[in-house]
Amino acid sequence: DIVMTQSPDSLTVSLGERAAINCKSSQSVLYSSDNKNYLAWYQRKPGQPPKLLIYWASTRESGVPDRFSGSGSGTDFTLTISSLQAEDAAVYYCQQYYNTRHTFGQGTKLEIK
Amino acid sequence: QVQLLESGGHLVRPGGSLRLSCAASGFTFSDYFMAWVRQAPGKGLEWLSYIGDTGTPTYYGDSVRGRFTVSRDNAKNSLYLQMDSLRAEDTAIYYCARTPGNGWLDYWGQGTLVTVSS
Repeated sequence: DIVMTQSPDSLTVSLGERAAINCKSSQSVLYSSDNKNYLAWYQRKPGQPPKLLIYWASTRESGVPDRFSGSGSGTDFTLTISSLQAEDAAVYYCQQYYNTRHTFGQGTKLEIK
Repeated sequence: QVQLLESGGHLVRPGGSLRLSCAASGFTFSDYFMAWVRQAPGKGLEWLSYIGDTGTPTYYGDSVRGRFTVSRDNAKNSLYLQMDSLRAEDTAIYYCARTPGNGWLDYWGQGTLVTVSS
């Protein structure tokens, strides 16, 4: 299985500042045939199901604020949240869907101060 | 609007079986692959399985392969997860989710709680 490792495990960022969450895969999730990175990002708030933010590593899901952006390729990816809002406090997960056994990262807890 | 509603979560003894259901509405169910994901207490998300739009292919994570079986009934707009040989570590909230086919999960249900305990 492809192992997804996120860093840091948790971070605290001030309101209005920028947060960056990293995700590293144990093997490349870039498919050479279509030049796409098979990686998604989700936001999980307490008591709610996960919400899709980003797919294809950098394509924002419809309705997701543009302060959320995804970048990276191959094995190293970043979710960046610019100008943090109070409602962005959550746990964030990356997920690879490159092979037939999809896997999630362990999650990164984002707190706002 | 897209809705996914899981049911069937229960307290079950180790070694027992349980069948979860997921009722879909608000979209053409037979056009989409579907998936099951779980979250154990204090743990992160764990991808379990997914199933093609016609019922094949099916894929499983290592922790449930051979014990869990995913299926669907497109006539009933329903997804199922048959869970056998349950273990304490299967205790979790189980979510069904829709996937456009490539693997990301664009809609999720609210989840159903499965507790495996003697």
